[in-house]
Amino acid sequence: GQNIDQPTEMTATEGAIVQINCTYQTSGFNGLFWYQQHAGEAPTFLSYNVLDGLEEKGRFSSFLSRSKGYSYLLLKELQMKDSASYLCAAEMNGDYKLSFGAGTTVTVRA
Amino acid sequence: AAGVIQSPRHLIKEKRETATLKCYPIPRHDTVYWYQQGPGQDPQFLISFYEKMQSDKGSIPDRFSAQQFSDYHSELNMSSLELGDSALYFCASSPRDRDSYEQYFGPGTRLTVT
Repeated sequence: GQNIDQPTEMTATEGAIVQINCTYQTSGFNGLFWYQQHAGEAPTFLSYNVLDGLEEKGRFSSFLSRSKGYSYLLLKELQMKDSASYLCAAEMNGDYKLSFGAGTTVTVRA
Repeated sequence: AAGVIQSPRHLIKEKRETATLKCYPIPRHDTVYWYQQGPGQDPQFLISFYEKMQSDKGSIPDRFSAQQFSDYHSELNMSSLELGDSALYFCASSPRDRDSYEQYFGPGTRLTVT
């Protein structure tokens, strides 16, 4: 695999902010995806970063540092429906398959 | 908007039986990927096809085979099923045009081997 590491679980309160970190192997790296997956459902696309920096999309933002092999997904103004697994996935040069991390289960509490 | 279609949605098979999973990509998507997701695990890449040719191969067992047809739909054939094959099987599609890089996932087929 691509040695993708992300925390297993995170818990936060409704309305709060949570940051999910992801580290990956930089050799051959092309781009970094974040997907949201509710239990038993298909992963749904959240963001794609190929350049360094922050990409903001509504309540969700994603950051990438290519030199550090590091990304994070920032979830703001948390809602109950944000309770899900968040998958970090690396895309490597030369192919388009995704190597997924184990996922971070986020639980939002009232 | 049209999404990726997978059939069947649920499948129950016994050990040593065979199964065929089907995937219909989004129209004008020429690339199809198959992933296997075991309980509590992340999706694992199995195999992908571009323009009806195998483009990449991951952790797909020799008991499995797949192909992409002229209408771009794909089938995953699984033989000599084992209990460990019980999983969610996702198909994803994308256009090869890199201006649209997102892989769109289908709803998955839940395979249970008893």
